[in-house]
Amino acid sequence: GDSVTQMEGPVTLSEEAFLTINCTYTATGYPSLFWYVQYPGEGLQLLLKATKADDKGSNKGFEATYRKETTSFHLEKGSVQVSDSAVYFCALSVKTGGGADGLTFGKGTHLIIQP
Amino acid sequence: EAGVVQSPRYKIIEKKQPVAFWCNPISGHNTLYWYRQNLGQGPELLIRYENEEAVDDSQLPKDRFSAERLKGVDSTLKIQPAELGDSAVYLCASSPRTGFNYGYTFGSGTRLTVV
Repeated sequence: GDSVTQMEGPVTLSEEAFLTINCTYTATGYPSLFWYVQYPGEGLQLLLKATKADDKGSNKGFEATYRKETTSFHLEKGSVQVSDSAVYFCALSVKTGGGADGLTFGKGTHLIIQP
Repeated sequence: EAGVVQSPRYKIIEKKQPVAFWCNPISGHNTLYWYRQNLGQGPELLIRYENEEAVDDSQLPKDRFSAERLKGVDSTLKIQPAELGDSAVYLCASSPRTGFNYGYTFGSGTRLTVV
């Protein structure tokens, strides 16, 4: 079956540090890839996505590139802020029939940014 | 545009009692999903609807869980009777038919505590 593996947290960084959160996947078909973010006390928000190989998704200074050859979708940011503290989920979706299949999530990575 | 609306936000019940969660998706989104998120884990798909039809309920514990989406708009997820292990956050999400390409929008969730 489909699965997503993320680096385990918590990940603690100082403000303005470089961030990488690793994500690899296995999928039965050709997936779309997503990063969702969950801020404390809030729901899941779509951060960025990529729907085909070599696509780069980007938003709010975060970016991730769909690497089919390494089945990876690592999340990066050049300079993190305290406000980036949250839980980050990598997820995939595989198209089935004519519809939109559900998401398969990783376990999440808790990111803590210290001032 | 209103997002995905869920209610109640929190629910505390005693074991063996019934409970129901309600979800109103984004207008025009044909596909609706229910997920369960256990503490410290990523969400797991319970059921997926295309309009009023449940097209994937393979992960729904059918002995105690039921769901409906009458008229293909809002949806209700029910647990009867609830068990201690059902304590989790229940998330509803919706997508256009092409959610595979455009992403999925989540509600804020219902946090269920079974005591």
